[in-house]
Amino acid sequence: KNEVEQSPQNLTAQEGEFITINCSYSVGISALHWLQQHPGGGIVSLFMLSSGKKKHGRLIATINIQEKHSSLHITASHPRDSAVYICAVRRGAQKLVFGQGTRLTINP
Amino acid sequence: GAGVSQTPSNKVTEKGKYVELRCDPISGHTALYWYRQSLGQGPEFLIYFQGTGAADDSGLPNDRFFAVRPEGSVSTLKIQRTERGDSAVYLCASSVGTSRSTDTQYFGPGTRLTVL
Repeated sequence: KNEVEQSPQNLTAQEGEFITINCSYSVGISALHWLQQHPGGGIVSLFMLSSGKKKHGRLIATINIQEKHSSLHITASHPRDSAVYICAVRRGAQKLVFGQGTRLTINP
Repeated sequence: GAGVSQTPSNKVTEKGKYVELRCDPISGHTALYWYRQSLGQGPEFLIYFQGTGAADDSGLPNDRFFAVRPEGSVSTLKIQRTERGDSAVYLCASSVGTSRSTDTQYFGPGTRLTVL
């Protein structure tokens, strides 16, 4: 079993829908990251969380440390949000362990 | 400012050959990471440098893989006797290098390696 599990693996939605991507982990962590990867490989860090909730524009990330679970929400989704969203947990000082990613497609 | 750069962007080689992949981190970043991403999967950790030394190389799959960072800036990932299973995107990231959990990693665009 992977240390970091994401669901769903693939998600297709219509423009404007509210999107939720889930991440569960089974190990102790010092922080959790949500990353966005566009076709061609470039990875951008969206959020880094160690507790609570963060919001940036239409993106919201939450984490429940006790339940070892995090969610990434996208409000008013847009086709430009189409990408792979990756959850990664920080083990110790530096090492990141990644989930397998969620491929999101937003249709106009 | 300039981000993390990686060269080449694509590399096609034949089974058994030797390849070198290069990473230029963000200037001033002391920490550098190599990851490998197979098709449809999330990245997997390979090795982490703090300065010139490999602080954690637990992700290197076998002794065909080796990485160096001789001057604490540019790093080279070296793969000997390449195998078809080595085909993947090799990602490099760098960070300021503090021990705090808030140390953000910045990723390069990756090198897509194809072993025929």
